[in-house]
This record gives sequence, structure tokens and C-alpha cells, in this order.
Amino acid sequence: DQQVKQNSPSLSVQEGRISILNCDYTNSMFDYFLWYKKYPAEGPTFLISISSIKDKNEDGRFTVFLNKSAKHLSLHIVPSQPGDSAVYFCAALDTGTASKLTFGTGTRLQVTL
Amino acid sequence: GAVVSQHPSWVICKSGTSVKIECRSLDFQATTMFWYRQFPKQSLMLMATSNEGSKATYEQGVEKDKFLINHASLTLSTLTVTSAHPEDSSFYICSASPPRDFNEQFFGPGTRLTVL
Repeated sequence: DQQVKQNSPSLSVQEGRISILNCDYTNSMFDYFLWYKKYPAEGPTFLISISSIKDKNEDGRFTVFLNKSAKHLSLHIVPSQPGDSAVYFCAALDTGTASKLTFGTGTRLQVTL
Repeated sequence: GAVVSQHPSWVICKSGTSVKIECRSLDFQATTMFWYRQFPKQSLMLMATSNEGSKATYEQGVEKDKFLINHASLTLSTLTVTSAHPEDSSFYICSASPPRDFNEQFFGPGTRLTVL
């Protein structure tokens, strides 16, 4: 049972444009969400997070939006750069229990010149 | 940010042997560390939660006797794959949370295990 889903396995965006990566979850107990960037054969690198008490969090070129009613979050990258090309995972956790992250399946982003 | 290291980064072993992977938090103490496994083009699957000074908590479907976890100190957790078989070949990643920020985990660089 995949509680966190990223329905787009891949995304290609032109340099300078906006990249939008989507994530859906089913567990209503999740109240904290994170986005990670991962290169092959490396561990994930934390990008940005958002608590369920917010609907938006921004950090430089990265913005995460949370729609609790739809159980949906998205990561916006503006402007996209070639160095952003990687696999992006969203992850969720229920802070009331142990800090166990549940990861989505990942979206491979390719930023083209 | 907090730094987590793993050793080795890459290991090849014969079927039937045991392999130990170390996970260290270099600049903070971690009472809890996590072990994940990633198959090619798939998500990271949590295997177990490693608690300092106590037994690890394994996720459903993970064999405790197969994947031995020891969290002997606040900066070191080890995962031992016992009697490894080719199906154990995978990318193993550990993570740790800084003590003041349980909501964030910092990941190690991962260990690629290949069992021949």
C-alpha cells in the first residue's frame, strides 16, 4: 500500500522555466512533509519541508505548497537549472509517532538547455 | 548541515558471507538512526529503526535474523547482512536525526552491496 505517491516518474523542463513536481498522500495522520533530491548512488539530500499548519514554504528557488484537503503537495523550482537534474522524492511523517519517513516513488527531473 | 557517513560505500561479496555496513553521525549525537533499502528505480523502503542502547524496530517483512542492527553508541549504528544472497544486492542507506530536530533526517551517502 503506497501511502505517498508521485505519479509522474519523469519530467523534462527547459532551463529557466518552472519545474512542478507533485506528490499525493493517503494517510491523514501525516503532518510533516519533506522533499529530497537524490543523485544515483548517493544518499538523498534534504531540500525543503513544510508542516501541515502551513500551506506554503519558500526557500530561494524552491517553494512547497500543501493542500491538506486534497492530500496533495507540490514542489516548484523557479528558475530551473541544469544542476537541478536529479530524482526528487517527497516524504511524509506523522510527528505524533516515531520519526519514520514514508517516501514516494520519486520523479526524475531533467532540465534541458 | 549535519553529516552522516557510511562505510563502505561499495562492497562485493560471495554468497553465504556476511557483510557489515557502518553508519556514523559525524557532528551530532543520534539516539535514533534509520536504515533504508533502495532497489533500482524504486523508492527508499524503511527497513528498521535503530535505537541507541536497545533493540532495533523492524518494519513488516524485514527479517530480523537476516539484517542485524546494532546501535552501540550515539554516533554509530551497524547493519550486518548475514549469509548474504544475490537477492540481497541493493543500495543501503542510513539516516539520522539531530537531537533537536526530530522531523528532519540527514542521510548517509549509501552503500552499494553486490552479492555474487
